[in-house]
Amino acid sequence: AQSVTQPDIHITVSEGASLELRCNYSYGATPYLFWYVQSPGQGRQLLLKYFSGDTLVQGIKGFEAEFKRSQSSFNLRKPSVHWSDAAEYFCAVGGLNDYKLSFGAGTTVTVRA
Amino acid sequence: DAMVIQNPRYQVTQFGKPVTLSCSQTLNHNVMYWYQQKSSQAPKLLFHYYDKDFNNEADTPDNFQSRRPNTSFCFLDIRSPGLGDAAMYLCATSSARGANEQFFGPGTRLTVL
Repeated sequence: AQSVTQPDIHITVSEGASLELRCNYSYGATPYLFWYVQSPGQGRQLLLKYFSGDTLVQGIKGFEAEFKRSQSSFNLRKPSVHWSDAAEYFCAVGGLNDYKLSFGAGTTVTVRA
Repeated sequence: DAMVIQNPRYQVTQFGKPVTLSCSQTLNHNVMYWYQQKSSQAPKLLFHYYDKDFNNEADTPDNFQSRRPNTSFCFLDIRSPGLGDAAMYLCATSSARGANEQFFGPGTRLTVL
């Protein structure tokens, strides 16, 4: 069965500091991995995705994520956070012939001045 | 802007009183999904449509039904809401099945009194 674990429910970070959100997945075939962000009152938006190739993927808003097959991880990073990065972040896994994505429970990021 | 719209954003119903949640999309996507997300849990896929082809998840209760009268609209009907059905309901679309990007609406928060 496929599943995603986001170990951190809530993270608080200072503006300008770096951010790393953890994601571990379980998937029986080649995984396709996604990070979404959801700001209050808005639908969740795709930040980046990994299908194949370079294991370090760049996304929107200055985010990047690294796929590590040996660790079954797909952690999201940003070198310097902005107050507008305060949101909820979701990691998801799917597969080429899979009709659905499995999401983690999300990590809420608070940015303090 | 192409988007996924959910109405209403907040819905309050009484125990056992039927309720319908609405989702519309301007993306002309073939696939539409309904998820249920309870607090601090991962979103749970209830069912999805691939064009007019309805696909129910095995563990989706019979209390939940869906209709897709055309490409643009999809409805979630809860025939007899129980207290355990209080949750955020998310609608999403995708251009194809498989590990494609899903586009989400902002969700409908359902409260059952």
